[in-house]
Amino acid sequence: TQLLEQSPQFLSIQEGENLTVYCNSSSVFSSLQWYRQEPGEGPVLLVTVVTGGEVKKLKRLTFQFGDARKDSSLHITAAQPGDTGLYLCAGPNSGYALNFGKGTSLLVTP
Amino acid sequence: GAGVSQSPRYKVAKRGQDVALRCDPISGHVSLFWYQQALGQGPEFLTYFQNEAQLDKSGLPSDRFFAERPEGSVSTLKIQRTQQEDSAVYLCASSRLIATGGAYNEQFFGPGTRLTVL
Repeated sequence: TQLLEQSPQFLSIQEGENLTVYCNSSSVFSSLQWYRQEPGEGPVLLVTVVTGGEVKKLKRLTFQFGDARKDSSLHITAAQPGDTGLYLCAGPNSGYALNFGKGTSLLVTP
Repeated sequence: GAGVSQSPRYKVAKRGQDVALRCDPISGHVSLFWYQQALGQGPEFLTYFQNEAQLDKSGLPSDRFFAERPEGSVSTLKIQRTQQEDSAVYLCASSRLIATGGAYNEQFFGPGTRLTVL
């Protein structure tokens, strides 16, 4: 099983602060995905990174895929309360499905 | 546009009862996945359908879990003789393409069914 470890598990910050969350594995992935899940909802895809070293930006969110394609990071600039949620990284396994990390639960307070 | 829908959204069952959870995928989506998400955890794969064929059921925790997709659209996950450890959110996801090993295929998730077994 290709395990994905996410850190930190919990993060509570104030509006306007910057933060970075991490997703690490000992296995190489062909791609990694980042999802955000809000309470009572299913995960929603934010981005897919495919190429080692790739950096993608989505407004205030910056995603990076490690050179060796074993890790990824998500950086949020000037966090807002609307960024609150569970951030999950996932990668395709050798079968049909996605392997998910346990997630980082982010709380942004005004 | 309609996304993936699931029903019921919440289900409370007494230990030993049977439950049936329904998933309506996005119309025309070939692939359908079921995941189980325990509290404080990420989703874990249960089973995969390509149209009506169940190609992978390696994630089903026990023979009390059964899934079907008889006409290649709506799917039902059935849990027999529920146990407290079955309490979790059950997520359904669908994707437009056939899933192939090791390759990413964008999955669209439903809101989930929260099952509580007393």
